[in-house]
Amino acid sequence: GQNIDQPTEMTATEGAIVQINCTYQTSGFNGLFWYQQHAGEAPTFLSYNVLDGLEEKGRFSSFLSRSKGYSYLLLKELQMKDSASYLCAVRDLDNFNKFYFGSGTKLNVKP
Amino acid sequence: EAQVTQNPRYLITVTGKKLTVTCSQNMNHEYMSWYRQDPGLGLRQIYYSMNVEVTDKGDVPEGYKVSRKEKRNFPLILESPSPNQTSLYFCASSFSVTRTDTQYFGPGTRLTVL
Repeated sequence: GQNIDQPTEMTATEGAIVQINCTYQTSGFNGLFWYQQHAGEAPTFLSYNVLDGLEEKGRFSSFLSRSKGYSYLLLKELQMKDSASYLCAVRDLDNFNKFYFGSGTKLNVKP
Repeated sequence: EAQVTQNPRYLITVTGKKLTVTCSQNMNHEYMSWYRQDPGLGLRQIYYSMNVEVTDKGDVPEGYKVSRKEKRNFPLILESPSPNQTSLYFCASSFSVTRTDTQYFGPGTRLTVL
């Protein structure tokens, strides 16, 4: 099974940088995903990490440490439209078809 | 436009009345999956399908059935809905389940079982 933890809610200021953490305890690991979900909408893909290190995509970066069971999503130059929930998900090692999601972190960006 | 569609978007029903939520994708994706999303619990996988006629259980399959007769469609069936199946349901698809494939989610179906 999988146990994935994320903070429930965070608040940050427009223009700032925010880091959203995700820790996981899994029986096997085969990749970690971050999704963004605006209220009332479907999740949309942000990033994918399978090896240790930092993946950068514009204002968003994601980091993974497999030995620590830890990932973070870094959002730079925050904009009001970044107010959303951010979901961390891991794929099962033994079964590529199974995915486990954290409960999500609701990010509030204030002016 | 490449998309995943779900119908209905909203449904209120009563306990025991069979219902089907449809899911269709126009991207020729092999992999499709159903999730439910509940406050504080996040997305939980119900069933998935690797291709036509190939389906398997996710984390919370009890009370649900699925079928995959055509590549584009993956309906979710609740034979006898109960109030604990009140939830927000998402269908998702991806080209295949490789290491780098991401899932594309439908708009969601909000189900209330009275």
